[in-house]
This record gives sequence, C-alpha cells and structure tokens, in this order.
Amino acid sequence: NAGVMQNPRHLVRRRGQEARLRCSPMKGHSHVYWYRQLPEEGLKFMVYLQKENIIDESGMPKERFSAEFPKEGPSILRIQQVVRGDSAAYFCASSPFRGDEAFFGQGTRLTVV
Amino acid sequence: AQSVTQLDSQVPVFEEAPVELRCNYSSSVSVYLFWYVQYPNQGLQLLLKYLSGSTLVKGINGFEAEFNKSQTSFHLRKPSVHISDTAEYFCAVSRGSRFGNEKLTFGTGTRLTIIP
Repeated sequence: NAGVMQNPRHLVRRRGQEARLRCSPMKGHSHVYWYRQLPEEGLKFMVYLQKENIIDESGMPKERFSAEFPKEGPSILRIQQVVRGDSAAYFCASSPFRGDEAFFGQGTRLTVV
Repeated sequence: AQSVTQLDSQVPVFEEAPVELRCNYSSSVSVYLFWYVQYPNQGLQLLLKYLSGSTLVKGINGFEAEFNKSQTSFHLRKPSVHISDTAEYFCAVSRGSRFGNEKLTFGTGTRLTIIP
C-alpha cells in the first residue's frame, strides 16, 4: 500500500506564475489535509477536504490560494500569481475517516524566484 | 487556539546517551498531543500520541513521552539513542475532541543529531 504521494517534490516558479501541487492520498483514504511550512517555522494548517467538499479552509490565505479534491484524481493545491513569500514546503496528509490518524506525504518544496 | 513551543532548535547527543526533547503547549481547552519524526527526504511519521488515560505514552523506536498538565508539557525521551535517530522531531497539539486532530498545530521542530 503506497503512502501519500506528492508531486512534484520540488517546484520552481517565477513571480507571477501559477503553482499546482498534487497529492494522491493513501488507498481508501477520502480525507485530505494541506499544511505549509515556512522557513524556520512549524507546519501550519491550511485546509481540510473530503471528496468534492471543503470542510475547513480556515488556514488558507484569502487570495490566490485554492484547493480541490475531486471525485476522481488527486487533491490539488493551486497558488496563482506566486510571490517570493509563497516559498515553502507544502505537506499533504490523508486519513481514512474523519478524526483518524493522518499520514503525511514527503512534501513539495516550492521556490519562487 | 492552541500553540506549541519547542525551545531547542538543535540537540546534539552522543550515541547511546539519553535524550529529552522539550515541548510546551498553550491551550484554553483540553488537548491531544503528538510527536512526529521526519527523516531526511521523507514525510512526517507519527511517533506517539496522547489522547487520554495514562500520562506516560510509549511510541515506536523506543521513544516515550509524558503529559504533564500542570506544566503544560509533553517532553519526548529516549534512554539510549542510535545513529538512526538523527532526524527532525515535531511536537503538535490539537483540540481534545473527537475530530480534534483534523487540525494540528505544530512546533518549529527540533533537529536531533547523534554523534558517533
């Protein structure tokens, strides 16, 4: 059973471009969580999604950031018009049921130049 | 809201020596507490968690942690470390409710380096 898969592992974008980060949860998991780790900081919760629904997006920046988890396919975290401050490691986690232990992926390191 | 403080950003320890990684939290409600480990180029892996019951929690790889409510601490310990324990360790807290661990609040991490 493969773990949580995130791709790409490293992503470089120029300021103003769009970044798309993908997360394939573990098999049988329908709950996905996104976290961001800025340099020298701990992981910060961004959003919690269940298939086709956003359950809690209280940690998402109000502009430029969006997330989806369609019925088929991976969860996508999309950042429009990236700025240098978006440079961070983005981690995805998944769980089989609400409130269960979440399993983390290896993260995507986004660098904005 | 909850917050977590890991005072030690780096901890060097000689192989086979004991280690304690400190974690203090702040919360106005009951909490669940977690320790995660991140090996180089890997995702976070759950070491152990405290939900309720015994305040001494045993985890994988010989680690244990003790929940101290009066001191709002959840320090991680291992009596004898190995080279393979070299990693980043994160303490995390969530609301102490059924769905509390949907949203974890993490500390900034402690980098444990084992010296041969």
